Order: sequence, then C-alpha cells, then structure tokens
Amino acid sequence: NAGVTQTPKFRILKIGQSMTLQCAQDMNHNYMYWYRQDPGMGLKLIYYSVGAGITDKGEVPNGYNVSRSTTEDFPLRLELAAPSQTSVYFCASSYFRGTGETSYEQYFGPGTRLTVT
Amino acid sequence: GQQVMQIPQYQHVQEGEDFTTYCNSSTTLSNIQWYKQRPGGHPVFLIQLVKSGEVKKQKRLTFQFGEAKKNSSLHITATQTTDVGTYFCAGNYKLSFGAGTTVTVRA
Repeated sequence: NAGVTQTPKFRILKIGQSMTLQCAQDMNHNYMYWYRQDPGMGLKLIYYSVGAGITDKGEVPNGYNVSRSTTEDFPLRLELAAPSQTSVYFCASSYFRGTGETSYEQYFGPGTRLTVT
Repeated sequence: GQQVMQIPQYQHVQEGEDFTTYCNSSTTLSNIQWYKQRPGGHPVFLIQLVKSGEVKKQKRLTFQFGEAKKNSSLHITATQTTDVGTYFCAGNYKLSFGAGTTVTVRA
C-alpha cells in the first residue's frame, strides 16, 4: 500500500492564481482531512470528509474548497491565492468504525509546501 | 471551540535525561492522541488514550490521560537523539492539535 499520497510536493503560486492540491489514499479509509501547518505552529483543520459525497468545514476553511467524489480522493482547491495561504498542507485519512473501541489514528501524507508571492 | 494547549513549547534536553510534556484541553475529551513529527516530515501516530486515568507505555515513552479527561502527558526517559522532533497532542476525531513541544537533544 502507498498509504496517503499528495501532489505536488512543492509549488509557488502568484497572488490571485488558483490550484488544486491532490490527495489520495489506498487504505479504504472513510474519513479524510486537510490540515495546514504554518512555521512553528500546530496543525489547523481546513476541511474534512466522513465519506464520499460528504464534506464539512474545519477551523480555517476560508479561501479553500473541497470535494469527495470517491473514497480514495480528496482534492483541496485554492481559489485566488493569497500570501496568507503560504503554508505546508497535509492530507490525512482514518478509518472510523463507529462501534466498539474505535481508533482515531490518522495517517498523514508527506505534505505539499506552498508559497504564494 | 475546543482548544488544546501544550507546554512547554520548546524542550532542550541533555542526552540521557528525562522530560515531560503536557497537554491541556479547555473541554473534556473523548480521546486523545499523540503524534511525532520529525523535522521536515509529517506527523506520525504514536498512541491513543481513551479511558480516564489511562497509562500506556512504549519503550521509553509513557503516556497518561488525566482522570477528568482534560489533560494528558508524555514522559520520555533517557532521552536519545532519535527523540528529536515535535510532539503533538490532538483531541477527538476532528483533531484539534496543540502547537506541539519541539524537542532538541544535546549530545
């Protein structure tokens, strides 16, 4: 299994440009997440999904959009990039069983380092 | 909203010494998880605690969940250079991550 994969690894955008960060997992996980990590800071949740066709906002959703058409893929769309979106973006996935003892362990991708200038 | 605070933010440790990092939540947590992120890497799951007062060990690492399920600690004994990195706690399934404790080790 490849686990969680993210593309691209690095990207430089000009202010006002748009792009899509790709995330895929091959573990048949139902939950997927997007986080951003600013230098020296923790991770902040942008959006999450509990299954195909279902997404919801996290702490910092402004300026981003997501979709989840399949279990495997969870792309993050940046519209009108701004310097404040310069960050490292991590995608993660987990399997939530909902009954019995549940593990909330999240598997993270390697990240996308985005610079907006 | 839920806030998770970690202290200290930085921990400089002499190799071989012990240290503890603490995680405090403003609300009661159903579970807490600990992750480690090496410099330049991504967070990697270490452990999950669910029960009040729960204690779990992984070799030199001891994790504890408070009785009120609002705080947790990670204690590392005999610190090694391989322990370098940032340790995050995160609460509940929509993980609210603390800012982390960044550990450096003096050989």
